[in-house]
Amino acid sequence: GENVEQHPSTLSVQEGDSAVIKCTYSDSASNYFPWYKQELGKGPQLIIDIRSNVGEKKDQRIAVTLNKTAKHFSLHITETQPEDSAVYFCAASMVSTDNQFYFGTGTSLTVIP
Amino acid sequence: NAGVTQTPKFQVLKTGQSMTLQCAQDMNHNSMYWYRQDPGMGLRLIYYSASEGTTDKGEVPNGYNVSRLNKREFSLRLESAAPSQTSVYFCASTRSGSRETQYFGPGTRLLVL
Repeated sequence: GENVEQHPSTLSVQEGDSAVIKCTYSDSASNYFPWYKQELGKGPQLIIDIRSNVGEKKDQRIAVTLNKTAKHFSLHITETQPEDSAVYFCAASMVSTDNQFYFGTGTSLTVIP
Repeated sequence: NAGVTQTPKFQVLKTGQSMTLQCAQDMNHNSMYWYRQDPGMGLRLIYYSASEGTTDKGEVPNGYNVSRLNKREFSLRLESAAPSQTSVYFCASTRSGSRETQYFGPGTRLLVL
């Protein structure tokens, strides 16, 4: 099956700085890559996703980039705010051949005011 | 619209006891999933149901059984709980397989003594 690796496991940034979280995947058949944010005591919530026919997607302060050749994708958060502090998970899935999502191990982001 | 609901929120079991975790969604979704979340290991898939009437094993199915009771409900049963099953359990659903946004419930925290 698919193997998704995520780095770093913890990340601390000053408020206003940017944060970057990187994931790699192993199966070139993966074609859907969602990112989730999990706040303490809650379930993960989708914040942005990208499909393999797109190289970059942006939503306000959040962007995701995908490099299919290198099999990696990244989450970029600009102008970080304290409320961005949470655990972030990347995931990959092979739409049309598999009904499963494969998750990275998570990144705990702390934004220091 | 409650989304995905899970009961109970918290449970303590003794080794060997059995219990059923309940999950329901009111979004008319076809696919439902059960994950466990352990520190440093991200979300690992236990079982999933791509559509009503079907269930499939995920990465860590041993010690668990599932029932897709109807389109709305997907339960997870521990027949004989073990301390290794201490974890936080999340139920999730998507409109159709792994091509869509996955919505998570709030989680059930299980402690097996």
